[in-house]
Amino acid sequence: SYVLTQPPSVSVAPGKTARITCGGNNIGSKSVHWYQQKPGQAPVLVIYYDSDRPSGIPERFSGSNSGNTATLTISRVEAGDEADYYCQVWDSSSDHPGYVFGTGTKVTVL
Amino acid sequence: QVQLQESGPGLVKPSQTLSLTCTVSGGSISSGGYYWSWIRQHPGKGLEWIGYIYYSGSTYYNPSLKSRVTISVDTSKNQFSLKLSSVTAADTAVYYCARAEVYGESRWFDYWGQGTLVTVSS
Repeated sequence: SYVLTQPPSVSVAPGKTARITCGGNNIGSKSVHWYQQKPGQAPVLVIYYDSDRPSGIPERFSGSNSGNTATLTISRVEAGDEADYYCQVWDSSSDHPGYVFGTGTKVTVL
Repeated sequence: QVQLQESGPGLVKPSQTLSLTCTVSGGSISSGGYYWSWIRQHPGKGLEWIGYIYYSGSTYYNPSLKSRVTISVDTSKNQFSLKLSSVTAADTAVYYCARAEVYGESRWFDYWGQGTLVTVSS
């Protein structure tokens, strides 16, 4: 089955830029989506289709995808961005297509 | 604004069947174009997709859970449901229902329920 690997944690100072990677075999050929999950809350979609933002999501959130790595970038990080972030793809390449989530990255704002 | 709300028992005994219902408001399951999914999250862990149903009733399940999962839909009530049989402590998790948007080969979850914790214990 398809595996998505994320760093367990990323630390960033307020006002700086956080970059969260999502590694997968030839992930650049798939569409990647990103979710933010704060403690005790449901995940919220922050990026879909590699780089599109749903309405209401700040422009500070952006995404890119190429080769074997997709990246979620959070610019001008704020305290409210502290959360777990998950990447996700729809894997249709295997015998058993399905939704695959990354391992998750905890973003800590210093 | 589409909203989803899970409901069902918060405690299930081992070997019994876990049953949850997701009620959708602000949009109709019957309108088509979306896949209605169940996703779970073990305590302190990541997200695991369980399966989905289309308004027509067609389903698709995660192979790792397929033998124990049944998802059904009641379009008259604008609800879809999850049944997970023969549960063990390993099925203790927060269960989410979610709507999946589809665009070609790309699928993502645009609306989620708040989640409900189900504990498996005697």
